[in-house]
Amino acid sequence: EADIYQTPRYLVIGTGKKITLECSQTMGHDKMYWYQQDPGMELHLIHYSYGVNSTEKGDLSSESTVSRIRTEHFPLTLESARPSHTSQYLCASSESGGHTEAFFGQGTRLTVV
Amino acid sequence: GENVEQHPSTLSVQEGDSAVIKCTYSDSASNYFPWYKQELGKGPQLIIDIRSNVGEKKDQRIAVTLNKTAKHFSLHITETQPEDSAVYFCAASRNSGNTPLVFGKGTRLSVIA
Repeated sequence: EADIYQTPRYLVIGTGKKITLECSQTMGHDKMYWYQQDPGMELHLIHYSYGVNSTEKGDLSSESTVSRIRTEHFPLTLESARPSHTSQYLCASSESGGHTEAFFGQGTRLTVV
Repeated sequence: GENVEQHPSTLSVQEGDSAVIKCTYSDSASNYFPWYKQELGKGPQLIIDIRSNVGEKKDQRIAVTLNKTAKHFSLHITETQPEDSAVYFCAASRNSGNTPLVFGKGTRLSVIA
């Protein structure tokens, strides 16, 4: 069982609201990632971090932002949610170096109405 | 950058039959190829991986083969069981500390009892 947690599991919010999706891991992993998963299954990397104070944008353009102030915590924030942000968001972490397993959280299913 | 193609997108097999999922990659420098299984309501979980210095790896009913020359790798599941029903993702990455995994689009496997 992976020690990576996402909250909330489900969230329904109104358009224009600011939200933060939480992700925490207790494995001491330096690398953390956020993926957006569409209904067609595909995983889109939207943000990643290789350590404290390091953040990078992924392949999919996203209006979200992330921060990495502590090793174990990698929150994702939407300043003004829109219906197009409705999706499943998955957080993952892995050890430094190559060839390391990525551990995924259970995901947050976000619905913007 | 790396591009990973995965086929088929959906696969149905009878219980007890074998299932094969194929992936191709574009970056000849990629040398790590993991496979993830995502069950309903959960995040993806690593089931097997292979490094480029190995052509085949087995773990009970699952095996992965790698053809570096052709830049393709495959997942083989033998004696399929209903609990094998899930979405499977292949991925590829370099052995560089700062290169995220690139995932295929996923295969939805259904094992019919």
